[in-house]
Amino acid sequence: EAGVAQSPRYKIIEKRQSVAFWCNPISGHATLYWYQQILGQGPKLLIQFQNNGVVDDSQLPKDRFSAERLKGVDSTLKIQPAKLEDSAVYLCASSLELADGTDTQYFGPGTRLTVL
Amino acid sequence: GENVEQHPSTLSVQEGDSAVIKCTYSDSASNYFPWYKQELGKRPQLIIDIRSNVGEKKDQRIAVTLNKTAKHFSLHITETQPEDSAVYFCAAPPRSGGSNYKLTFGKGTLLTVNP
Repeated sequence: EAGVAQSPRYKIIEKRQSVAFWCNPISGHATLYWYQQILGQGPKLLIQFQNNGVVDDSQLPKDRFSAERLKGVDSTLKIQPAKLEDSAVYLCASSLELADGTDTQYFGPGTRLTVL
Repeated sequence: GENVEQHPSTLSVQEGDSAVIKCTYSDSASNYFPWYKQELGKRPQLIIDIRSNVGEKKDQRIAVTLNKTAKHFSLHITETQPEDSAVYFCAAPPRSGGSNYKLTFGKGTLLTVNP
């Protein structure tokens, strides 16, 4: 079974520039998550999709971050304009809800963003 | 929302010793508690999880215990090996599941196993 795919793996931009990340979840996984992981911290959820609908985006800085999952499969996360504090690893995860109501989340390799 | 506290932040053990990492959570409705291992520059990988209907689960050298009354769960690694060196994260959901399922992660524990 193929895992969660992400691209690019690394990105360096200057502040105020724009950047976009792409994620392809595990086939059949209805739920997709974007996390931000700052160095030395645990992943922090930015947005959660169920199929192509947003379930939770309470921690997404909506003035500069946006995400979409138009066909309920692939997703893109965009930052416009980027700030220095956006430097982090952006992780995508997907999950398949189990019969007991729990989800096991599988993570992609992440995109390491450096904002100069 | 859920608040997850993880201790210690760093842990150094000798090869062959045991390691224990503890997490506490705030939402009594939480019913699923995964542990992830993240090696340097790699993705977090699920190593073990436990659901609220059991108190302990084992998988070879790894075990997780859950105390729902006290709202804490712990990761136990026995006979540690150098390849166990990594950052370990606990997580808990803020509600009982369904389509609003999401995880709050602890801040991580850097485990170093010295040969």
